[in-house]
Amino acid sequence: GESVGLHLPTLSVQEGDNSIINCAYSNSASDYFIWYKQESGKGPQFIIDIRSNMDKRQGQRVTVLLNKTVKHLSLQIAATQPGDSAVYFCAAPNDMRFGAGTRLTVKP
Amino acid sequence: EAQVTQNPRYLITVTGKKLTVTCSQNMNHEYMSWYRQDPGLGLRQIYYSMNVEVTDKGDVPEGYKVSRKEKRNFPLILESPSPNQTSLYFCASSLRPGDRGRGWAGANVLTFGAGSRLTVL
Repeated sequence: GESVGLHLPTLSVQEGDNSIINCAYSNSASDYFIWYKQESGKGPQFIIDIRSNMDKRQGQRVTVLLNKTVKHLSLQIAATQPGDSAVYFCAAPNDMRFGAGTRLTVKP
Repeated sequence: EAQVTQNPRYLITVTGKKLTVTCSQNMNHEYMSWYRQDPGLGLRQIYYSMNVEVTDKGDVPEGYKVSRKEKRNFPLILESPSPNQTSLYFCASSLRPGDRGRGWAGANVLTFGAGSRLTVL
């Protein structure tokens, strides 16, 4: 079965609002996680990663939070823009498996 | 430009007609993998290769073959395609998955190709 999965298949937000995409994992041995973004008609692309010795990692408008106690990580996008509309995947490189993804739609 | 190149990008074929989807990477990556993406099912791994001449089954290998004779190429072969293999296929590569040495985190990041949409009638 899947070792990583996403809570919601779709998420719709208003432009300018913050977005939160969640992901749960089951393998306690997972020590590294990656978030990918897949825009329509393209392959997934790396956004941000986090090691298990960290609780939080920030990028330009993205932040990933890791809660090892409940095996949960989230991707937060600040001031969501239309260009953020895509499917987002979390992945644990331990087994190179992906969840089904969350489709983020940004409303103007 | 560092990239993973897949061909063809689009293909319509008929049941039973053998086809090959090529994948090539120019980053000297050791690890390569094939995924299929279907609505509601996300990315499912078909086959992967840790290095030249080393290939292993993923979660959905039935009906597919692969080979890794050279480091840069990892073709996906459908010997006798069937309609249930209609899907969007992605090839991906990374430097060294499972590497826990210095700088290991980046070695696990996958670079994906643009995808190959295959329709089997």
